[in-house]
Amino acid sequence: SQQGEEDPQALSIQEGENATMNCSYKTSINNLQWYRQNSGRGLVHLILIRSNEREKHSGRLRVTLDTSKKSSSLLITASRAADTASYFCATDKGDGGATNKLIFGTGTLLAVQP
Amino acid sequence: DAMVIQNPRYQVTQFGKPVTLSCSQTLNHNVMYWYQQKSSQAPKLLFHYYDKDFNNEADTPDNFQSRRPNTSFCFLDIRSPGLGDAAMYLCATSDFVGRGTDTQYFGPGTRLTVL
Repeated sequence: SQQGEEDPQALSIQEGENATMNCSYKTSINNLQWYRQNSGRGLVHLILIRSNEREKHSGRLRVTLDTSKKSSSLLITASRAADTASYFCATDKGDGGATNKLIFGTGTLLAVQP
Repeated sequence: DAMVIQNPRYQVTQFGKPVTLSCSQTLNHNVMYWYQQKSSQAPKLLFHYYDKDFNNEADTPDNFQSRRPNTSFCFLDIRSPGLGDAAMYLCATSDFVGRGTDTQYFGPGTRLTVL
C-alpha cells in the first residue's frame, strides 16, 4: 500500500533539545504533509511540502523532502513540553490525476520531558 | 472561528445497537471525510464526500454508512456495531480545487465505546 512508515515509533527528549522524525513512502506524490495529534484529539495540520520543493520552514519546524529516496523528515528545534504529541506524515497519490485523499503514516510518538 | 465540530465527543453503545455520529463544518469546504483511528494507529479513511458524490474505500465494511444532507453536515452511521468498531472516529474537511491534495481540517473526534 501507499502508507508511509515513520521512524522512530517513539522518541523521548529533554526540553530544549531538537527532535527529528522521518517518514518513508512508496509511490510518487504531489505533496507530503505533517500533522500533529495531541492525545485523544483530532489532527492539526503543521506544514505541507510539494514534490518540487526540497525544504520548507515554519517557525520551529523544518521539513525536508527527498523524492528520489521517497522520504521526508520533520525537525522540531528547541522543543517544549507542549510539543508532546503524535506526529504523522501524510501523502496523496501522485498518479498524475487530481485526488483529494491522504494516506497517513504510522506516526511517531514524541515525549518532551520538562 | 471557522471550524469542524463533532458530536458527541464520547459515545457509548451496545453491541449491535445502531449508532450515528455527526460532523458539521463552518468552513464551507466541498469535501468531507470520515476516518477510523484505533489506539496507537494511523487514521484510516473510511469514505469521503466530494460535494454530493459519495466515495467509499474498497475495504470499508458495509456496516458503515454515511450521509451528507447538505454542505455543512455529514453523518457516520454504524448499523450494527461490533466490539472491533470501538475506536476514535475523526471527521475532516478540505477545499479541493483539483490541483492535488491540500490541507485537511480535522474535528476533535468522537470516541466510540462498544459494550
